[in-house]
Parts: sequence; C-alpha cells; structure tokens
Amino acid sequence: KAGVTQTPRYLIKTRGQQVTLSCSPISGHRSVSWYQQTPGQGLQFLFEYFSETQRNKGNFPGRFSGRQFSNSRSEMNVSTLELGDSALYLCASSPSSPNRGLVWRFGPGTRLTVT
Amino acid sequence: TQLLEQSPQFLSIQEGENLTVYCNSSSVFSSLQWYRQEPGEGPVLLVTVVTGGEVKKLKRLTFQFGDARKDSSLHITAAQPGDTGLYLCAGARAGGTSYGKLTFGQGTILTVHP
Repeated sequence: KAGVTQTPRYLIKTRGQQVTLSCSPISGHRSVSWYQQTPGQGLQFLFEYFSETQRNKGNFPGRFSGRQFSNSRSEMNVSTLELGDSALYLCASSPSSPNRGLVWRFGPGTRLTVT
Repeated sequence: TQLLEQSPQFLSIQEGENLTVYCNSSSVFSSLQWYRQEPGEGPVLLVTVVTGGEVKKLKRLTFQFGDARKDSSLHITAAQPGDTGLYLCAGARAGGTSYGKLTFGQGTILTVHP
C-alpha cells in the first residue's frame, strides 16, 4: 500500500508570495491533518479535514488555509508568505474519525524556504 | 494549552548502552504515540499505547504508558548506531475540538556512537 505522498518536496518562495502544498493520503484514509515543524517550535498542528470538512484548527493566522477534495486529497495554502513560515510542512492521514491517534501516518513533508 | 514535556532534549551515548526518554504532561491523553524521524523525512510511527499502565515491546524498545495516562517512557536496550534519530512522543485526546490533533513533545535527538 502506498504511503502518504506530498508534493512538492522542496519549495523556495519570496516574502509576500503565496504557496499551495498538496497531500495525497493513504488509499482508504479519509482524515488528513497538517502540521508545521520548525526547530524552535517543533511540530505544531495546523488543521484537520474529514470528508471535505475542516473539523479542527490550530492557532495559526488566517493566512494559513486548507481544503479537502472528494477523493480525500488535501491542499494547504499560505498567503503573503513571511520569513517565519519557513518550515517542514507535514501531512498525516488516518482511516477514520475516532481521535485515538491509532493509525496516523505521516508523509515525507514539504520543505518550504521563504527568502 | 496541553503540553507534552519530553526529556532529555539531547542524548549522546556509546553503542551498547541503555537509555530512557520521558514524556510528561499534566493532561490526560486517550492515547500516546512514539515516532522516530530522520532528517528531511516525516515521522514514522513506532508504537501507540492506549491503556493506562500498558507496556509494549518492539525488539529492543520498550514503551510504557503511565497509569494515569499523563506520561510515557521509551527505553532502548543495547543501543545501536542505527537507533540514531529524533524521537517524538505525541498525545491524542478524544473527540470534540481534538479531532485529528496530535500534541507533540519537543523531541529527543539521540546519537549512538559506534
């Protein structure tokens, strides 16, 4: 079974630009969560989608948004990029809604560098 | 804010030594997961513990969930250079505003020298 895939793997953007990152969950997984990982803050929860609905959101500004499609693929968008947005963005998928965290599988991440 | 305090942050040991990583919180979690992450890659799930007092073993790794489900530990016996990496604990809470959210500890960077 293929794992979680994320594209692109690496991205360099300039301050003020916007970026869209993509995540394809494991086949059959309907829940997708996004995390930002930085050396200073570690892994921080961005948001979670299930059946095309955002069910939970972390403490990030409105510049961070996401969506999920009917095939469970998800995208996240960051507008008006700031230097502090440079990070590894990870998505994780899970087959069902119960939040016992039993089978969260992470993708390899997208390394975003903002210059 | 629910926090997971993970310690130590850095661990540098010789091959063959034993080590323990701790993960503590003042909050109760419905489950706790341990991950290992290589540079530039996503975290890989090692184990999930869900029952207070639960102990799980994965070859030389032993994981324990505290009785009150607020803390956990990872013990590695006879560490090998291949164990080198970032170890992360992550807690999940059931339902409501916790959907899809794992709260992560800051991580332990383990280096095992040959």
